[in-house]
Amino acid sequence: GAGVSQSPRYKVAKRGQDVALRCDPISGHVSLFWYQQALGQGPEFLTYFQNEAQLDKSGLPSDRFFAERPEGSVSTLKIQRTQQEDSAVYLCASSLRQGTSTDTQYFGPGTRLTVL
Amino acid sequence: KNEVEQSPQNLTAQEGEFITINCSYSVGISALHWLQQHPGGGIVSLFMLSSGKKKHGRLIATINIQEKHSSLHITASHPRDSAVYICAASLTGTASKLTFGTGTRLQVTL
Repeated sequence: GAGVSQSPRYKVAKRGQDVALRCDPISGHVSLFWYQQALGQGPEFLTYFQNEAQLDKSGLPSDRFFAERPEGSVSTLKIQRTQQEDSAVYLCASSLRQGTSTDTQYFGPGTRLTVL
Repeated sequence: KNEVEQSPQNLTAQEGEFITINCSYSVGISALHWLQQHPGGGIVSLFMLSSGKKKHGRLIATINIQEKHSSLHITASHPRDSAVYICAASLTGTASKLTFGTGTRLQVTL
C-alpha cells in the first residue's frame, strides 16, 4: 500500500511567485496535517483537516498561505507572493481517525521549497 | 521558551554504545511521540507514549508524567541509527496536532 506522497519534491520559486504543493494522504485517512520545517529546526504546525473541513489553521504564518482539501482526500497548500522566509520543507502527514491524539501520524517525504 | 525541548542537539557515538536522548515539556500533554528523520527522507514514527515504557528492538522509550520528561534509548548503536530523532507532543486540548522539539542529530561511527 502506498504511503503519503507529496509533489513536487523540490520547488524553486522566484520571490513574488505563487506556488502550489500537493499532498496525497493514505487512502481512507480522515485527518491531514501540514507542517513547515525550517533548516535545522523541528517541524511546526500549519493547519489540520478532518475530511474536507479545515478545523485548525492557527499555524498559517500569514494570509499568503492557503490550504484546501475539497474532497477529503488530496490536499493542496498554496503560498502566494512567496518570500525568502518561506523557504523550508513542507511536510504533510495523515492519520486514520479524527482528532485523536494517540493516533500515529504518517509523514510524506516533504517538498523542499527554495525562494530566491 | 519552547514547550518541547530536547537535549543534546548533536550526539556522536561509536558503534555499540548505549545512547540516550532526552525530551522535556512544560505543558500538559495527552501523548508524547518519538520520530526518526533520515537526511533527505521523510519522518517515521517510532513510539507513541502516554505513560510508562515501550520497547521495539534496540529502541526503548520511557516517559515520566510527573516530571514531564521522556527519554529515548538506543542499545548497541549501529551506524544505520544515524539520523535526527525528534520528540513531539500532543498538547492537551489541541486535538492531534503535534508540537515538535528541535531534534537531536545522532551520528554513529564505526
